[in-house]
Amino acid sequence: KAGVTQTPRYLIKTRGQQVTLSCSPISGHRSVSWYQQTPGQGLQFLFEYFSETQRNKGNFPGRFSGRQFSNSRSEMNVSTLELGDSALYLCASSAGQYIGGELFFGEGSRLTVL
Amino acid sequence: ELKVEQNPLFLSMQEGKNYTIYCNYSTTSDRLYWYRQDPGKSLESLFVLLSNGAVKQEGRLMASLDTKARLSTLHITAAVHDLSATYFCAVGFGNEKLTFGTGTRLTIIP
Repeated sequence: KAGVTQTPRYLIKTRGQQVTLSCSPISGHRSVSWYQQTPGQGLQFLFEYFSETQRNKGNFPGRFSGRQFSNSRSEMNVSTLELGDSALYLCASSAGQYIGGELFFGEGSRLTVL
Repeated sequence: ELKVEQNPLFLSMQEGKNYTIYCNYSTTSDRLYWYRQDPGKSLESLFVLLSNGAVKQEGRLMASLDTKARLSTLHITAAVHDLSATYFCAVGFGNEKLTFGTGTRLTIIP
């Protein structure tokens, strides 16, 4: 059974640009969550989608957005990049319909903003 | 707001020794997870604990949950080098998102 797939794995952007990250969940999983991981802040919850609907949202500015498609694949977008957005962005999928079920993580997309 | 604290944040221990990582949380929970993360890698699920008194073991790792004390422990027995990693606990309740602890960076010294 294939795991969670994230693309791209690595990317470098400059301040002011925007970026789109993609996540394909485990087959059959309908929930996708996004986390930002930095050395200083640890794992910070961005948002969670279930059946194309955002069910939960963390405390991030509106520059961070996401969506989920009918095949459960998800994308997140960060606009007007800032240096502080440099981080590992992790996507996780979950099988259950309730929020907060066991999460299965992808390898992450490492974003560097110059 | 649910807060999750892990201690210690950093742990350096010799091979063959035993040690325990602690995960404290601030409000009622009905599930707790332990994850492992190797440097530059993603998080790997280790244990799922769903009830008070739950104990799970896998190899040299054993996790337990005390919901009354709002405490989970991850015990390492006779540590070996390949257990070096960062360990996270994550706590959930009801229909709320999981809240992750700060992580414990474990280094096993030969």
